[in-house]
Amino acid sequence: GIQVEQSPPDLILQEGANSTLRCNFSDSVNNLQWFHQNPWGQLINLFYIPSGTKQNGRLSATTVATERYSLLYISSSQTTDSGVYFCAVTTSGTYKYIFGTGTRLKVLA
Amino acid sequence: KAGVTQTPRYLIKTRGQQVTLSCSPISGHRSVSWYQQTPGQGLQFLFEYFSETQRNKGNFPGRFSGRQFSNSRSEMNVSTLELGDSALYLCASSLVELYNEQFFGPGTRLTVL
Repeated sequence: GIQVEQSPPDLILQEGANSTLRCNFSDSVNNLQWFHQNPWGQLINLFYIPSGTKQNGRLSATTVATERYSLLYISSSQTTDSGVYFCAVTTSGTYKYIFGTGTRLKVLA
Repeated sequence: KAGVTQTPRYLIKTRGQQVTLSCSPISGHRSVSWYQQTPGQGLQFLFEYFSETQRNKGNFPGRFSGRQFSNSRSEMNVSTLELGDSALYLCASSLVELYNEQFFGPGTRLTVL
């Protein structure tokens, strides 16, 4: 089955710094989403981005489907950005999202 | 529009018991998926339902089962609970089928003693 790898696994930043999170996948995908999991376990939708580039405030994402990767950019990070970031993908013919292992982000004040 | 709701939010059971978790999707959404999250295994797909039909099942033992009702609400059941079943169980819904953006509920945290 498809493999989804995220890097880096852990990231510590000072407030105000910028960061790039990466999601690599081993096969063609139909869908790709980025999520932020808050301390209570809730998965918050960030982007639905099977291809192209999207921006939402300080966050933006780019998926290059032909090269099998997606990037999540966080600019001017805030302490509330702390948590775990997941990417998840589906492949043709399957009815399930496969999640990456996540990037644990800690933003220090 | 209300989000995905899951009940109960927290549950404590003992080994050998069974448990039923409930998920109500966003109004109009017809696909419901279930996931298990543990520290060791991460987020793993359990099963997906669309129009009361299970279309895919993850690699879990037969003790894990589910169903979907005509109003798209879904339940999952775990029988003969084991310590390793302690986890956060997350439900997600999407509009038409799984090839759409998923929205997650707050989860049910199950502890098996």
